[in-house]
Amino acid sequence: ETGVTQSPTHLIKTRGQQVTLRCSSQSGHNTVSWYQQALGQGPQFIFQYYREEENGRGNFPPRFSGLQFPNYSSELNVNALELDDSALYLCASSARGSGYTFGSGTRLTVV
Amino acid sequence: AQRVTQPEKLLSVFKGAPVELKCNYSYSGSPELFWYVQYSRQRLQLLLRHISRESIKGFTADLNKGETSFHLKKPFAQEEDSAMYYCALSLDRDDKIIFGKGTRLHILP
Repeated sequence: ETGVTQSPTHLIKTRGQQVTLRCSSQSGHNTVSWYQQALGQGPQFIFQYYREEENGRGNFPPRFSGLQFPNYSSELNVNALELDDSALYLCASSARGSGYTFGSGTRLTVV
Repeated sequence: AQRVTQPEKLLSVFKGAPVELKCNYSYSGSPELFWYVQYSRQRLQLLLRHISRESIKGFTADLNKGETSFHLKKPFAQEEDSAMYYCALSLDRDDKIIFGKGTRLHILP
């Protein structure tokens, strides 16, 4: 049984650029949730996808968007990057009643 | 709005001493409560959830609805318990999980 994998592991972008982060969910999981974890903070919920539809969103601006594919993998897109977007981005997959399985995260640095 | 509060950023405990990591939540309904742990250089992982009523690695947590608390306890700390611990709540099994800011537990030899 494979776990949750995220790519890339590290990324450096310039302010104003756009970025796409990827997540492969654990086998058998149909729900993917994305979190932003700034340094010294707990993970903050960005949004969740269930069966390719957005299923809840946290307090993040529209320049944070996402997709879920038929194989339940997911992408997080961030447009017009700002310095404060620098953080660890975590993906977690789940199935009904299974609990969340987290990936190792993508560390994004915006300069 | 739902909120999870972990009042201690850092907790240092001697090996063999009891551990209690505090967690309080604000929600008027019946949330599901969790503790997640992140060991050095490892990913965030579920330690325990209140509905399971189980003990993992010697840790237990009791949900106190009157005090809206879900403190994590272990009677005798071990060095391998050193890690970052996050308390979290969910409004149902598949809703978003809201995390606290975390407590770093440092076990002293």
